[in-house]
Amino acid sequence: AQSVTQLDSHVSVSEGTPVLLRCNYSSSYSPSLFWYVQHPNKGLQLLLKYTSAATLVKGINGFEAEFKKSETSFHLTKPSAHMSDAAEYFCVVSPNYGGSQGNLIFGKGTKLSVKP
Amino acid sequence: DAGVIQSPRHEVTEMGQEVTLRCKPISGHDYLFWYRQTMMRGLELLIYFNNNVPIDDSGMPEDRFSAKMPNASFSTLKIQPSEPRDSAVYFCASSSGQGPTSGNTIYFGEGSWLTVV
Repeated sequence: AQSVTQLDSHVSVSEGTPVLLRCNYSSSYSPSLFWYVQHPNKGLQLLLKYTSAATLVKGINGFEAEFKKSETSFHLTKPSAHMSDAAEYFCVVSPNYGGSQGNLIFGKGTKLSVKP
Repeated sequence: DAGVIQSPRHEVTEMGQEVTLRCKPISGHDYLFWYRQTMMRGLELLIYFNNNVPIDDSGMPEDRFSAKMPNASFSTLKIQPSEPRDSAVYFCASSSGQGPTSGNTIYFGEGSWLTVV
């Protein structure tokens, strides 16, 4: 069975400080993992994805995530937050074996607030 | 590329009325998805198509919901009759290759914001 847990529903940081959004997953297969960002009144935009290549994945807007199999984690980080990073972030796990696309699992989301 | 295009972006309708949401996927994508997003339940997959054929509609709430994909560039999600509990954001998304469960990226439209009063 697969699952994804975003450990924080809300994270608040000051502009210029590091961002850490936590995601743990459970998968019977070697998964693909994605992070999406949703700005207010917008659709979901892909930030980055891991598909069994390098474990440290760099995405857009300075975000990166590290796949740690031993910890079953895929945390999203950014060295310095910007006001424009305020949004909701979704961690997504895929079984990576094809099959039903209904097996794509979305986390509940983490809302990131950035204070000036 | 224009991305996934949805219409209308916003709709307010009265209970009992028919609602039709429209989607144009990214050209060349074989998979099309309809998701619903609410505060209470997050993102839920309603139905998905592969090569215009509905593959899994187990997420469709009830018979009031129906979805069609008459060709590779167009899909509709219809609610008839609509109820206040249908108020949500409805996202259309598309993907290529073997789909997102094989690591392919899923691309989302900007959503249709539905309010049923």
